[in-house]
Amino acid sequence: QVQLQESGPGLVKPSQTLSLTCIVSGGSVSSGSHYWSWIRQPAGKGLEWIGRIYNIGSTNYNPSLESRVAMSVDASKNQFSLRLSSVTAADTAVYYCAGGAFDSSGYFHFDHWGQGTLVAVSS
Amino acid sequence: DIQMTQSPSSLSASIGDRVTITCRSSQNIFTYLNWYQQKPGKAPKLLIYGASSLQSGVPSRFSGRGSGTDFTLTITSLQPEDFATYFCQQSYSNPMYTFGQGTKVEIK
Repeated sequence: QVQLQESGPGLVKPSQTLSLTCIVSGGSVSSGSHYWSWIRQPAGKGLEWIGRIYNIGSTNYNPSLESRVAMSVDASKNQFSLRLSSVTAADTAVYYCAGGAFDSSGYFHFDHWGQGTLVAVSS
Repeated sequence: DIQMTQSPSSLSASIGDRVTITCRSSQNIFTYLNWYQQKPGKAPKLLIYGASSLQSGVPSRFSGRGSGTDFTLTITSLQPEDFATYFCQQSYSNPMYTFGQGTKVEIK
């Protein structure tokens, strides 16, 4: 069973860079079967897809965040990471890492999620 | 972006009730629609994919229907463990995935 666990600072100052890591266990981040995403949820609000990384380096980002986002994979540690630059209070949210896959019918869904980590942006 | 709109935003129901949640997309997404359940402080859990396919291990009291722009999630006999928030998510505009705002199911 694939399990994901986020880690990183819970507090980031405005204008600085938010950095989070997701450790994958029970599966391989470089297997090619899953697309590894970051998703966030501000308090009391819905979920927002931030971006994904797959095939050990290919990325797609949400256009609304693309200028500030970078994702990477460290296959040797079986983990993937998120960097979000120039943060403001609007970036305060619970950040989830998630693994998604296409099924045999071509439908994509997120079938593995981390527990989430709260990141607050405040001075 | 494809906008996903859920209704209602919250509802109160009793154990054993039949509950239906609606999700509407801003454009045709065929059956590229997933449903998730989220309990407080926990990660979302996949319930339904492809609009109507039940994820392995999910009780059969959960069902999904719809295609195009209108979708429903139905719980036929609400159980105590079903009180949670439910989200829909479209995967048609791969990879720009968008989610509904959620529907909170509370105990009456």
